[in-house]
Amino acid sequence: AQTVTQSQPEMSVQEAETVTLSCTYDTSESDYYLFWYKQPPSRQMILVIRQEAYKQQNATENRFSVNFQKAAKSFSLKISDSQLGDAAMYFCAYWETSGSRLTFGEGTQLTVNP
Amino acid sequence: EAEVAQSPRYKITEKSQAVAFWCDPISGHATLYWYRQILGQGPELLVQFQDESVVDDSQLPKDRFSAERLKGVDSTLKIQPAELGDSAMYLCASSRLRDRDGYTFGSGTRLTVV
Repeated sequence: AQTVTQSQPEMSVQEAETVTLSCTYDTSESDYYLFWYKQPPSRQMILVIRQEAYKQQNATENRFSVNFQKAAKSFSLKISDSQLGDAAMYFCAYWETSGSRLTFGEGTQLTVNP
Repeated sequence: EAEVAQSPRYKITEKSQAVAFWCDPISGHATLYWYRQILGQGPELLVQFQDESVVDDSQLPKDRFSAERLKGVDSTLKIQPAELGDSAMYLCASSRLRDRDGYTFGSGTRLTVV
């Protein structure tokens, strides 16, 4: 079974600084997708960024970017110019094209300090 | 912007009682998912529907949990009888068929069993 591991239960960052959240995964598949979701205190899970495994180029969405290392099965999220609104629980998730189950990691609670 | 609707937002029930949650996915989304999220953990898939058919219910405790999506649109998740360990957030999500863009989540139902 595929597993997703987030080794940082909590992280903190100063406003306007940069923070990186780590994620590793285990799979024998070659065709899959990786996602980062944000869950703020209001609880609704929001998609932040996605990465196709067959693409070598790292995905970026405004202040959010990923470092995708396929051989190392690593998928980290970098948040630049952190804002107070970035404070939330962040989940790394894995989805393979041969199935449809989205598998989540345990999450990283991000605190942004003013 | 289209949303996944869930109700109720909060539910408190006594153990051994029955409880039900409702979800209305985004119009046109063929796939519907129910996830359970224990506080401080990542969501875990309970059941996945493709239209009105169950695709994956391998993690659903079938002795007490049931789910249906009779007309392939909205869905109900039921627990009978509820146990203390069922206290969690129940999230509903929907997507187009084998959607590579990720899922859209509802705001969830927070269940407390006392």
